[in-house]
Amino acid sequence: DVKVTQSSRYLVKRTGEKVFLECVQDMDHENMFWYRQDPGLGLRLIYFSYDVKMKEKGDIPEGYSVSREKKERFSLILESASTNQTSMYLCASSSEGVWYEQYFGPGTRLTVT
Amino acid sequence: AQKITQTQPGMFVQEKEAVTLDCTYDTSDPSYGLFWYKQPSSGEMIFLIYQGSYDQQNATEGRYSLNFQKARKSANLVISASQLGDSAMYFCAMREVSGNTGKLIFGQGTTLQVKP
Repeated sequence: DVKVTQSSRYLVKRTGEKVFLECVQDMDHENMFWYRQDPGLGLRLIYFSYDVKMKEKGDIPEGYSVSREKKERFSLILESASTNQTSMYLCASSSEGVWYEQYFGPGTRLTVT
Repeated sequence: AQKITQTQPGMFVQEKEAVTLDCTYDTSDPSYGLFWYKQPSSGEMIFLIYQGSYDQQNATEGRYSLNFQKARKSANLVISASQLGDSAMYFCAMREVSGNTGKLIFGQGTTLQVKP
């Protein structure tokens, strides 16, 4: 079975802190994605990566950055956390073919106080 | 621009009955894929079913089927014989072939509650 893991299920951080969210997949997938999920808005794409060291902005990249140094690991970084970044963060991965579904991690519920 | 719309924020269905969750989409790309995901209260997203824009037949996976009406740009999910474990949030999503990045665009989601 494909497995996508995220470093924390719940995280509480203070405003201004630097926050790292880690995602690891074990299926050698080329594509990896970071979404945030907010009530009534569905999932919105923050960043995605289609290869090691490659990244592209999604629909809401402001306030976030990413890192992909190894194929299996994709990190989301909040350089200076703000309260409006309180949300559920979901990582996903997929094979290179466009017809393949994305596999999701369990999510990290981040609260910024 | 591509867009996915789910107009039903919440739905109720009696156990063992069928239910249809609506999804409409907008795209100018002739090649695209449509996906449905289930998100239980635990939070993980579970892939349910996929329909390609050139598929001639509606996709089916067990109790799930996708009512694909290309001219109307709709891709409704039909769940037959609802079970209590079907209570969850359901998301419709679309991916365009152009660009080949695997990006998905998600709808707002529909919360389904199955009554015993």
